[in-house]
Amino acid sequence: EAQVTQNPRYLITVTGKKLTVTCSQNMNHEYMSWYRQDPGLGLRQIYYSMNVEVTDKGDVPEGYKVSRKEKRNFPLILESPSPNQTSLYFCASRFSGRYNEQFFGPGTRLTVL
Amino acid sequence: GDSVTQMEGPVTLSEEAFLTINCTYTATGYPSLFWYVQYPGEGLQLLLKATKADDKGSNKGFEATYRKETTSFHLEKGSVQVSDSAVYFCALSRGNNDMRFGAGTRLTVKP
Repeated sequence: EAQVTQNPRYLITVTGKKLTVTCSQNMNHEYMSWYRQDPGLGLRQIYYSMNVEVTDKGDVPEGYKVSRKEKRNFPLILESPSPNQTSLYFCASRFSGRYNEQFFGPGTRLTVL
Repeated sequence: GDSVTQMEGPVTLSEEAFLTINCTYTATGYPSLFWYVQYPGEGLQLLLKATKADDKGSNKGFEATYRKETTSFHLEKGSVQVSDSAVYFCALSRGNNDMRFGAGTRLTVKP
């Protein structure tokens, strides 16, 4: 089954404790992206990657890191989480080009205390 | 920069009512336009899309027409069902620098 998977689905952590949210897709998509969803703000892009070893900042990259060492994986790293990073996070992937739809993972709900 | 504006919700309708969710956009060039739907506890999934002016996207009884003259892509459905209760997002894409999403509109349909 073609899909985007994320882990964990739910995470409660404390300020300053490094964490990684994994994302993997099995559709051979070049393009992968991370978003955060907050009430009234819709989805805001954190980072994106156009292909292996190519990443760039989105609209809200502060406090986050990413890497793209393999085509299928695009982990999101929070080196020192803070409470304002409490949010619902989505990973997405698609083929390159503006006509192509994005496929979304199921989401990771993160709470930073 | 590019942006998408959706009508604010929440929207509450009775079953079989007519639905319109307004969406307007600001973008240079000719973006592709999308509607995504998010059911409770799930990720977003594509509902429909249109890639050029005057195109009509349709799926599951939902429709939206790409209107370049009014920079709009309003979502409509003639008769909603309880199962249509979800959050709906309008989005645009101009290329590899990814999509811009509206804030989302929560729809609740009551029996």
